[in-house]
Amino acid sequence: DTGVSQDPRHKITKRGQNVTFRCDPISEHNRLYWYRQTLGQGPEFLTYFQNEAQLEKSRLLSDRFSAERPKGSFSTLEIQRTEQGDSAMYLCASSDDQGKSSYEQYFGPGTRLTVT
Amino acid sequence: GQNIDQPTEMTATEGAIVQINCTYQTSGFNGLFWYQQHAGEAPTFLSYNVLDGLEEKGRFSSFLSRSKGYSYLLLKELQMKDSASYLCAVRDLDDYKLSFGAGTTVTVRA
Repeated sequence: DTGVSQDPRHKITKRGQNVTFRCDPISEHNRLYWYRQTLGQGPEFLTYFQNEAQLEKSRLLSDRFSAERPKGSFSTLEIQRTEQGDSAMYLCASSDDQGKSSYEQYFGPGTRLTVT
Repeated sequence: GQNIDQPTEMTATEGAIVQINCTYQTSGFNGLFWYQQHAGEAPTFLSYNVLDGLEEKGRFSSFLSRSKGYSYLLLKELQMKDSASYLCAVRDLDDYKLSFGAGTTVTVRA
C-alpha cells in the first residue's frame, strides 16, 4: 500500500449538480478525515471517522454534505446541489491510533472541485 | 476553538536559514504539527511537538513553548526544492482533528 488515494483528482460540475468523491486510506489505518482547502488557506476540518463510525462533523458542513465509511475502509463524500462556493480542494487523510504513527495524519492528493 | 497565526510569506536565499513562527490560542492542546505543501500537492508531515523544547530532524527543526502558545519551524541549508507552503496545525485535546493556520509560503532564491 503506497498511501492515501483519492478519486477523481479533478471534477468540474455545473451548479446544482451532485458530486461524489472517494477516498481509500492506508489499509491498516482506522481513522479517516475529510478536509477542505481553498487557495491561500490551510485545510479546514470537515468530518472524521473511527472505523465506520462518524465521530464529528464540522459546523462548516451544511446539510448538502454527507460522508460515509460503510465498512470502515474507503469513504465517500457527497455534495448535493453544488454551489460555486463549494469550489475547493477536498483532502482526505488517514491515521492509525496504534503505536508510533498515532499522531501523524497522511494526506491523499486531493480532489479539486470546480463548480461553474 | 482554535486561532492559529503564521506569516503569509517569507523569502530566503539558497543555503541560508529561515525561521517560520506560529502562535496559537486554543481551547485544548494535544500536539503541534508542521506540514509542507508544494503547490497542487497534498500536505506532507514534517514534525510533531507535544512537549516543550526543540525537535531536530535533519535540516528541519521545530520548537514548542506551550506556556507561550508558540512554535517555530527552522529550515537550514535551504534548497530550491524547499520552496513551498508550510502549515502549522494544532490537534485538539479531546479528539484527533487538526486545526491549520493559513500557511507560510517560503520562496528560496538562488
